[in-house]
Amino acid sequence: GAGVSQSPRYKVAKRGQDVALRCDPISGHVSLFWYQQALGQGPEFLTYFQNEAQLDKSGLPSDRFFAERPEGSVSTLKIQRTQQEDSAVYLCASSLVGIQGPETQYFGPGTRLLVL
Amino acid sequence: AQSVTQLGSHVSVSEGALVLLRCNYSSSVPPYLFWYVQYPNQGLQLLLKYTSAATLVKGINGFEAEFKKSETSFHLTKPSAHMSDAAEYFCAVIPSAGGSYIPTFGRGTSLIVHP
Repeated sequence: GAGVSQSPRYKVAKRGQDVALRCDPISGHVSLFWYQQALGQGPEFLTYFQNEAQLDKSGLPSDRFFAERPEGSVSTLKIQRTQQEDSAVYLCASSLVGIQGPETQYFGPGTRLLVL
Repeated sequence: AQSVTQLGSHVSVSEGALVLLRCNYSSSVPPYLFWYVQYPNQGLQLLLKYTSAATLVKGINGFEAEFKKSETSFHLTKPSAHMSDAAEYFCAVIPSAGGSYIPTFGRGTSLIVHP
């Protein structure tokens, strides 16, 4: 079956532009995570959805970052007024909901954002 | 707060040699532990995970890891490296208490395999 897909794969934005990054999770996966991976670093948690509910957004670095998952499937991460420090790879992962422990997260290939 | 440390940003081995990638965690209660592999321009793929069952965990591609509570470690090993193992490897930890399944990742170790 299809894995997690993300689009676009690459995005170049001028400083101050708004961008929208899309994530299509595996069908039936209730949980969806967004991560930011800076060059040479591990992924850092941004936000987490269970169905359409955003249960944790503690990792969003500023109020310029906004995520939604209105129908509990596709999710969009929006960054307003992009800054150079926003340049990174944005990873999306989905999983079944963990009941007695964490379920395996399946990652998409990421969107590489470069802000000039 | 949970944290994970990967010793060595780069590890270089010859093809056929033992692979050892180190991961130490800090937690008062044994957490859930994971190893992921990331190939260039791809997302992360789970190699193996420890969830409080057997302390020696076998994963895909011949990798295994041993949970050692006394050393707060979860080192990744493979008896014989293959050229295709060259990639970035990440250790991650999720607290076993609290109900939050948000992972904290290490900074990663780049595995270089020489012919």
